[in-house]
Amino acid sequence: ETGVTQTPRHLVMGMTNKKSLKCEQHLGHNAMYWYKQSAKKPLELMFVYNFKEQTENNSVPSRFSPECPNSSHLFLHLHTLQPEDSALYLCASSPGPGLWAYEQYFGPGTRLTVT
Amino acid sequence: ELKVEQNPLFLSMQEGKNYTIYCNYSTTSDRLYWYRQDPGKSLESLFVLLSNGAVKQEGRLMASLDTKARLSTLHITAAVHDLSATYFCAVDAGNSGGSNYKLTFGKGTLLTVNP
Repeated sequence: ETGVTQTPRHLVMGMTNKKSLKCEQHLGHNAMYWYKQSAKKPLELMFVYNFKEQTENNSVPSRFSPECPNSSHLFLHLHTLQPEDSALYLCASSPGPGLWAYEQYFGPGTRLTVT
Repeated sequence: ELKVEQNPLFLSMQEGKNYTIYCNYSTTSDRLYWYRQDPGKSLESLFVLLSNGAVKQEGRLMASLDTKARLSTLHITAAVHDLSATYFCAVDAGNSGGSNYKLTFGKGTLLTVNP
């Protein structure tokens, strides 16, 4: 595997379910990101991790819980979601930190539908 | 707070025509990125602009950066249907002004090239 991979690619879940999204990067990067992309909204940054430490939580509801066990893996645990949480969830990684954030490399995304 | 504005947000053009997408940003930065996104797909990196006056070209696309004007442009020459996609610019303000090693994305420009 190369680049940034995400699983599953598609997920349908009920509002009472618990599921997790997985992201893995094979680029030797130190920073990882979760973004949400809805049909009618711009790309929304959710979380940032640098060297496994969370450095940004962009006012994300607690029903989204990130986990970063090491610099190569990032999870997004989902529970008690709402229909408006249906979106494309994108994971990205970059070399950072340092002086700059650097170019981000995106995974293919998980298309989430909450019923 | 860093603001990134793209215009136009929607662009419909005929094959063979030229056009420019603009990306304005509100704080000092000399690192700017352009991404392309096809419908239902992830973001693909197009250009990395790392200094004032930087110009990059790939096929029918050319990107430039004017850090004094806080402006980047993405110029499309002799458009073809395959260029139809959403184009995002993203600005890296480094670790200043609370940017905290993250990119700030514009809302995207949906480009449709008609035969």
